[in-house]
Amino acid sequence: DQQVKQNSPSLSVQEGRISILNCDYTNSMFDYFLWYKKYPAEGPTFLISISSIKDKNEDGRFTVFLNKSAKHLSLHIVPSQPGDSAVYFCAASRNRDDKIIFGKGTRLHILP
Amino acid sequence: DAGVIQSPRHEVTEMGQEVTLRCKPISGHDYLFWYRQTMMRGLELLIYFNNNVPIDDSGMPEDRFSAKMPNASFSTLKIQPSEPRDSAVYFCASSSAGVPNYGYTFGSGTRLTVV
Repeated sequence: DQQVKQNSPSLSVQEGRISILNCDYTNSMFDYFLWYKKYPAEGPTFLISISSIKDKNEDGRFTVFLNKSAKHLSLHIVPSQPGDSAVYFCAASRNRDDKIIFGKGTRLHILP
Repeated sequence: DAGVIQSPRHEVTEMGQEVTLRCKPISGHDYLFWYRQTMMRGLELLIYFNNNVPIDDSGMPEDRFSAKMPNASFSTLKIQPSEPRDSAVYFCASSSAGVPNYGYTFGSGTRLTVV
């Protein structure tokens, strides 16, 4: 039973445009949400996070939005760059010190 | 720091054989996690340790899987006997108490193929 769902296995976006990656979760106890980025043959690396007391967190070109009532979060990348081509994992935990539950990932292709 | 080190990078084995994956966490980190990545299920947490003690092994799929952490600088994940459905990329990650979740540092993974 997937508690963190990424329903789009892949996404293609033109360079310079906005990339929007979506994530849904089912566990209402989740209180802390993260996005990780993974390149081929490497382990995932932390990208950005948000706690449930916020609805938006921004870090440079990356912004995460959280809609708790809908149990939905999204990652926006503006503008998209070739180096953003990677697999993006949405993840959640019950608090900042709890284990992380990951989704299946979305492969993002940035087209030239 | 060399980061989290996993070995081997690739492992191909025959069904029924024993497989041992190894992990060296970052020095000073007191949490160690084993994850498995597959297309069907994404990144699944198998087990994690705190100060070398297993805390949660609810993700371990079957009794064929076992994990140990004999000291703070080494952990193993063993599959015996291995089956083709165990084929996946296995990641080890470590973190430090008091560091938020984003403190997880992942190794480069071991790609296991069971034929």
